[in-house]
Amino acid sequence: GAVVSQHPSWVICKSGTSVKIECRSLDFQATTMFWYRQFPKQSLMLMATSNEGSKATYEQGVEKDKFLINHASLTLSTLTVTSAHPEDSSFYICSATPQGNRGGYGYTFGSGTRLTVV
Amino acid sequence: LAKTTQPISMDSYEGQEVNITCSHNNIATNDYITWYQQFPSQGPRFIIQGYKTKVTNEVASLFIPADRKSSTLSLPRVSLSDTAVYYCLVGGATNKLIFGTGTLLAVQP
Repeated sequence: GAVVSQHPSWVICKSGTSVKIECRSLDFQATTMFWYRQFPKQSLMLMATSNEGSKATYEQGVEKDKFLINHASLTLSTLTVTSAHPEDSSFYICSATPQGNRGGYGYTFGSGTRLTVV
Repeated sequence: LAKTTQPISMDSYEGQEVNITCSHNNIATNDYITWYQQFPSQGPRFIIQGYKTKVTNEVASLFIPADRKSSTLSLPRVSLSDTAVYYCLVGGATNKLIFGTGTLLAVQP
């Protein structure tokens, strides 16, 4: 089945530094990947849609200069949290679906990255 | 994008059948209905997907009435390990996934 790998699973960084999170589709190609953020006891909030070879599309209220997304290949998308601050501490999750997925909606999610900014 | 409405929480006991209903009054013709399960500090896991009538797999059944304005996820004989948040989503291929509040299912011994 489709597998999405997310790395790292957790990271602690100092305030003001940048952190990169990787999302890889291991056994399929994905032209589109999605990035979510989830705060404790809340639902997943879509941050942006990552498109291979083009600029990401950000949801309203998400700072594109703070959350840099790069989707350089059909199997890799990265999210970089720049100049991280404690309020950026959250659980970040990516998802993807095989290229050309039709007739359905079965996206696969990564295991998530717990970011703690101190 | 169709908005979904689910109960915030449900309680059950081990061995019981649990039915979680989701309302999606604005579902579009080409939208599918998909349910995901999420445990704390993990990404959502696909449970089941359907378009109409009934779909069954090894873990759950999905019932969709003819008007498709709602759907019911049925979990047979739940166990403690089924305690999780269950999300109902609707959309077509390549639609971005917008999560609602989900339903926190608490299974007690």
